[in-house]
Amino acid sequence: KNEVEQSPQNLTAQEGEFITINCSYSVGISALHWLQQHPGGGIVSLFMLSSGKKKHGRLIATINIQEKHSSLHITASHPRDSAVYICAVHPFQGAQKLVFGQGTRLTINP
Amino acid sequence: DTGVSQDPRHKITKRGQNVTFRCDPISEHNRLYWYRQTLGQGPEFLTYFQNEAQLEKSRLLSDRFSAERPKGSFSTLEIQRTEQGDSAMYLCASSLGLREQETQYFGPGTRLLVL
Repeated sequence: KNEVEQSPQNLTAQEGEFITINCSYSVGISALHWLQQHPGGGIVSLFMLSSGKKKHGRLIATINIQEKHSSLHITASHPRDSAVYICAVHPFQGAQKLVFGQGTRLTINP
Repeated sequence: DTGVSQDPRHKITKRGQNVTFRCDPISEHNRLYWYRQTLGQGPEFLTYFQNEAQLEKSRLLSDRFSAERPKGSFSTLEIQRTEQGDSAMYLCASSLGLREQETQYFGPGTRLLVL
C-alpha cells in the first residue's frame, strides 16, 4: 500500500462543475503539497499547507491532520484546468524529500 | 517556466551506455532535488543536496547512479550501464533552503528511453 493515496485516479467533468480530488496518507507529516502537471511533464506547485485551508483564485486546498486527509477543490472548472494533480507529503522522518501520490488525471470538457 | 532548467530534454540510448543529465536550479536556491517518474505514476525521490552536500539518497539510487553538485550550483545525475528499467522522466527541483519545508520549483524534466 502506498503511503499517499489519491482518489479518483481519473476524473472527467463538464466545464463549470465543482471538482474535488482527495488525498489520504498513512505517515506522520510536517506539510502537504498539491502540484499540477501538464502534458509534457512540467510540474507547478499549487499549495503547501500544514493545517486548515488555503485559497488561490478558483483553487481551494484543505487538510485535516487528525484524519490524515486533504482535498483539492476547483470551482467553476475550465478546460484549461485539465492536467494531472498530484498530492505530495513531507514525512516526519525525511523532512526534505517529498513522497508523492500517483496523481489524478482531470479532464474538463467544454 | 519556473526558472529551473534541465538538459537534455530527451535522451535515447542503448542498454549498457552511460548517460549524464544536468540541472540548473534557480540561482539563489540552496537545495536541489532529483526525482524519477515512470509513466502513469507520481514522482519518486532519488536524492537531494543542501549546497554541495548530498544529504539524503533513496534506496532507489543503485550504485549505477551518481549525483553531484560540485560548487553548490548546477547538478549532474549520471547513470552508468543503463538498463531498460531506467527509462523514465528524471525531474530536478530546487528550493530556497531557508525553512524545513518549502515550495519546490520543478524543471521540465529529462525523458530517458533506454532501448
